Amino acid sequence: NAGVTQTPKFQVLKTGQSMTLQCAQDMNHEYMSWYRQDPGMGLRLIHYSVGAGITDQGEVPNGYNVSRSTTEDFPLRLLSAAPSQTSVYFCASSSGIREKLFFGSGTQLSVL
Amino acid sequence: GESVGLHLPTLSVQEGDNSIINCAYSNSASDYFIWYKQESGKGPQFIIDIRSNMDKRQGQRVTVLLNKTVKHLSLQIAATQPGDSAVYFCAERRMDSSYKLIFGSGTRLLVRP
Repeated sequence: NAGVTQTPKFQVLKTGQSMTLQCAQDMNHEYMSWYRQDPGMGLRLIHYSVGAGITDQGEVPNGYNVSRSTTEDFPLRLLSAAPSQTSVYFCASSSGIREKLFFGSGTQLSVL
Repeated sequence: GESVGLHLPTLSVQEGDNSIINCAYSNSASDYFIWYKQESGKGPQFIIDIRSNMDKRQGQRVTVLLNKTVKHLSLQIAATQPGDSAVYFCAERRMDSSYKLIFGSGTRLLVRP
């Protein structure tokens, strides 16, 4: 039972580069979301999706894009990486927007 | 800004003792609260949750207490074990924020052998 799978686990980018963080879940969850975690701060919501074809912004959406073409996948795209995007990124899913979240193991991103 | 916070950033307890981790929230519209445990290098792991129509909920060795009068949430861990060492986050779901979870900054629990 894989749960929520994130790839890659680690990534180093140069300023201005683009990349996509992958997230997949095998629990048939409708709700998926992306958080970033910075030292001394709680998890902050970047984007979320309540179902395939539907996405919405969270607290800190600037610099990130998402899409939800399938129920299983919810990739996060950085169009032009900035040092301020250095963080640990977590993908999470739940059976509904009011249900508990299951988290992936995270992607540690460094932007130089 | 954030309204979910923790009183103690680090809590050190003796193995076998009980641990209490506290959390304050300011939004009376929140209807759901949840505790997560995060071990180093891993994603947050669900521990226990409670809805606003309850005051107390118990799990295996853990109890969550909700005091809506003073907007306070606590996590009690009985007979703390070395494997309990981690960062613990509380989160609230606000009915006025599209049901998004708002996380606190976390408390680190250290268990002394």
